[in-house]
Amino acid sequence: EDKVVQSPLSLVVHEGDTVTLNCSYEVTNFRSLLWYKQEKKAPTFLFMLTSSGIEKKSGRLSSILDKKELFSILNITATQTGDSAVYLCAVEGMGHRDDKIIFGKGTRLHILP
Amino acid sequence: NAGVTQTPKFQVLKTGQSMTLQCAQDMNHNSMYWYRQDPGMGLRLIYYSASEGTTDKGEVPNGYNVSRLNKREFSLRLESAAPSQTSVYFCASSGGRFREKLFFGSGTQLSVL
Repeated sequence: EDKVVQSPLSLVVHEGDTVTLNCSYEVTNFRSLLWYKQEKKAPTFLFMLTSSGIEKKSGRLSSILDKKELFSILNITATQTGDSAVYLCAVEGMGHRDDKIIFGKGTRLHILP
Repeated sequence: NAGVTQTPKFQVLKTGQSMTLQCAQDMNHNSMYWYRQDPGMGLRLIYYSASEGTTDKGEVPNGYNVSRLNKREFSLRLESAAPSQTSVYFCASSGGRFREKLFFGSGTQLSVL
């Protein structure tokens, strides 16, 4: 059965710290891994990863995928209080007919001022 | 751009009542999804539709039905609501150039008493 496991489930750090969020997965016929940030409402897209070893970067956020070990990490450097959110990892796999996207439970990140 | 429009935003039902959540997208996307989100559970896939005329079960389909009315619209029906269906429901779509990137509706907060 397809699954996505994120760790830690919750994390509290001080402003300025660097954090690493983890995502491991098991999915049939992997197509892509996605990271989302969710604050109060709907998730907002951060990254899509399809190839191993290629880092995606956006400002203080970066992510990398390891397709051999079936995991991805999301790094946030010099954290700010505005980074407080739930970070969701999702994986797209190919079913017998269609593709589907399933999510992990998320990591709730809280940044203390 | 409207993107993904989801209605209603809030709903309170009594146990046993039925209702339909509506979702429409104006981005000409092929794939549409219904997720539910409970505290600490991330987003769980209820049903998805890879194209007009096809629907598939996700992780938690029991107690729900869906209809892909046309390419734009994908509705979720609760025939006999139960308190366990109290949740936040998100509709999403993907397709086109950024096929794996999900676009979310604003969510429906549903309470079943």
